[in-house]
Amino acid sequence: GAVVSQHPSRVICKSGTSVKIECRSLDFQATTMFWYRQFPKQSLMLMATSNEGSKATYEQGVEKDKFLINHASLTLSTLTVTSAHPEDSSFYICSARDRLAGWTDTQYFGPGTRLTVL
Amino acid sequence: QQPVQSPQAVILREGEDAVINCSSSKALYSVHWYRQKHGEAPVFLMILLKGGEQKGHEKISASFNEKKQQSSLYLTASQLSYSGTYFCGTVLSGNTPLVFGKGTRLSVIA
Repeated sequence: GAVVSQHPSRVICKSGTSVKIECRSLDFQATTMFWYRQFPKQSLMLMATSNEGSKATYEQGVEKDKFLINHASLTLSTLTVTSAHPEDSSFYICSARDRLAGWTDTQYFGPGTRLTVL
Repeated sequence: QQPVQSPQAVILREGEDAVINCSSSKALYSVHWYRQKHGEAPVFLMILLKGGEQKGHEKISASFNEKKQQSSLYLTASQLSYSGTYFCGTVLSGNTPLVFGKGTRLSVIA
């Protein structure tokens, strides 16, 4: 089956620093990747849609200058949380769709990255 | 546009059955079901496309009523491993992303 990896799995940083999270599709090419954020006991909230070779599409209320997304290749998307603050602490999960599949086909999720900002 | 799931939580004894519902106020193109264990990423269960189909996965199956814009997930003869939070995700059309419901927390006890 399709595998998506994320790195790091857990990160603790000081307030004001920037953190980069990588999302890779390991055995398929993904023209579209998605970034979600999940607070404790809540649902996954879509932050942005990342398209290979173009600018990401951000959901309403998500600051594009704070959450920088780069999708430079068909297998890698990165999310950089700039000037992180404690309220950015959350579980960040990426997902990817197979380039050869239709839009409504399965999104494969990465294992998630737990960010804690002190 | 977030789909509505019900119930919010359910507790079952091993071997009992459960139904989780997911409904939308808008016409749906597809419905996706996931299960998430605490501290882990969601795991894909199944996808249903418009057309009123029903799918099965071991003792877990689902249906999609296109007219009612509603999907139901059926868990039969529940096992301890079924515990977790179940999310439905909906797609409205061919160029919109997956939007998740708030989840249903399922606890199976011995």
